[in-house]
Amino acid sequence: EAGVVQSPRYKIIEKKQPVAFWCNPISGHNTLYWYRQNLGQGPELLIRYENEEAVDDSQLPKDRFSAERLKGVDSTLKIQPAELGDSAVYLCASSQGGGSYNEQFFGPGTRLTVL
Amino acid sequence: GDSVTQMEGPVTLSEEAFLTINCTYTATGYPSLFWYVQYPGEGLQLLLKATKADDKGSNKGFEATYRKETTSFHLEKGSVQVSDSAVYFCALSAKNNNDMRFGAGTRLTVKP
Repeated sequence: EAGVVQSPRYKIIEKKQPVAFWCNPISGHNTLYWYRQNLGQGPELLIRYENEEAVDDSQLPKDRFSAERLKGVDSTLKIQPAELGDSAVYLCASSQGGGSYNEQFFGPGTRLTVL
Repeated sequence: GDSVTQMEGPVTLSEEAFLTINCTYTATGYPSLFWYVQYPGEGLQLLLKATKADDKGSNKGFEATYRKETTSFHLEKGSVQVSDSAVYFCALSAKNNNDMRFGAGTRLTVKP
């Protein structure tokens, strides 16, 4: 069974440019998460989807970040415009349900460098 | 809000040494507790978990016990191997949702 797929694995852009990350969760997983992991820190939740609905986006900086999961399967996270402080690893995870008993499976992440 | 504090690293051990990585938490209610591991170049993988007080999670020789009285979930292994070199993250999630709160991670290096 394929795991969580993310692309690209690495992205280098100049500040003020837009960037997008793509995630395909494990088949059958209705809950999808986006996390940001700064260097030397643990992941921090940005947004959680139950199917196509964003049920927790309280930590998403909405002035420049947006996300969508139109058909309740794959998802895109966008930053426009990017700032130097956005350099981080962006992780996608999925689970079968939204309760704490459901294991989250993580993708390898996209490492973003903003110059 | 809910949070996790774990032992700062890096930790360097010789092969077959005993490992402890401390983790304490702050939460309202009774969260589920997790240890995730991140091997070089790979994504986070669930190592073990415990969902209620006094539960012991175990996997691959690692163990951690959910201690409500000390709000702790320390990770232990009796004899580490070079292949255990990785970054270890302690995490919690509240029962009513699955929003993980992670510690900062502890990098373990095991030398032969």
